[in-house]
Amino acid sequence: DGGITQSPKYLFRKEGQNVTLSCEQNLNHDAMYWYRQDPGQGLRLIYYSQIVNDFQKGDIAEGYSVSREKKESFPLTVTSAQKNPTAFYLCASKTDSLRFNEKLFFGSGTQLSVL
Amino acid sequence: GESVGLHLPTLSVQEGDNSIINCAYSNSASDYFIWYKQESGKGPQFIIDIRSNMDKRQGQRVTVLLNKTVKHLSLQIAATQPGDSAVYFCAENMNSGGGADGLTFGKGTHLIIQP
Repeated sequence: DGGITQSPKYLFRKEGQNVTLSCEQNLNHDAMYWYRQDPGQGLRLIYYSQIVNDFQKGDIAEGYSVSREKKESFPLTVTSAQKNPTAFYLCASKTDSLRFNEKLFFGSGTQLSVL
Repeated sequence: GESVGLHLPTLSVQEGDNSIINCAYSNSASDYFIWYKQESGKGPQFIIDIRSNMDKRQGQRVTVLLNKTVKHLSLQIAATQPGDSAVYFCAENMNSGGGADGLTFGKGTHLIIQP
């Protein structure tokens, strides 16, 4: 089955530690996205990538970093500079970022908590 | 920037009744709208979408209505079932610039089904 796989489901971060969230898709999509979701809130865009080896900052990129070395993979690193990292992180993709009338496909999310 | 919002954070309906979830958007340039359903601890699932050149679109048990004059979007769920309990998000995208940075999401409405 085609889809987006996020791992791990739950992740705990210690003070000063960087952690990396995995996102893999086998949908052959060019565009991939990372969103952050806080309780009772909508989704806020962290980073997005339109194509391999390219990515742009979203609305709340500070304290996060990404890479896009392969089409299938778009890992997100939450750095120690992110002072409030506890949230539910969602990865999404779509065929082509420039097609506005196309839905996003989402992964099942990673819940990050601070120890 | 402009954002998509919702009128009510929580909606409680009786099983078997019809549900109507509302969404107000402020960006008059938005061309594409979409509804997602999110169950607790999971990623959002696509329900239905509509382009700005349409007023109504129907799916299985769901109908989306778009009123561009007052910038209002609604999702109607017929014969609500227990499995419909979830948070429902509306989202928008613009045609200008291709909307490469994905969708803009509202805060969501929590739909609760009473037995």
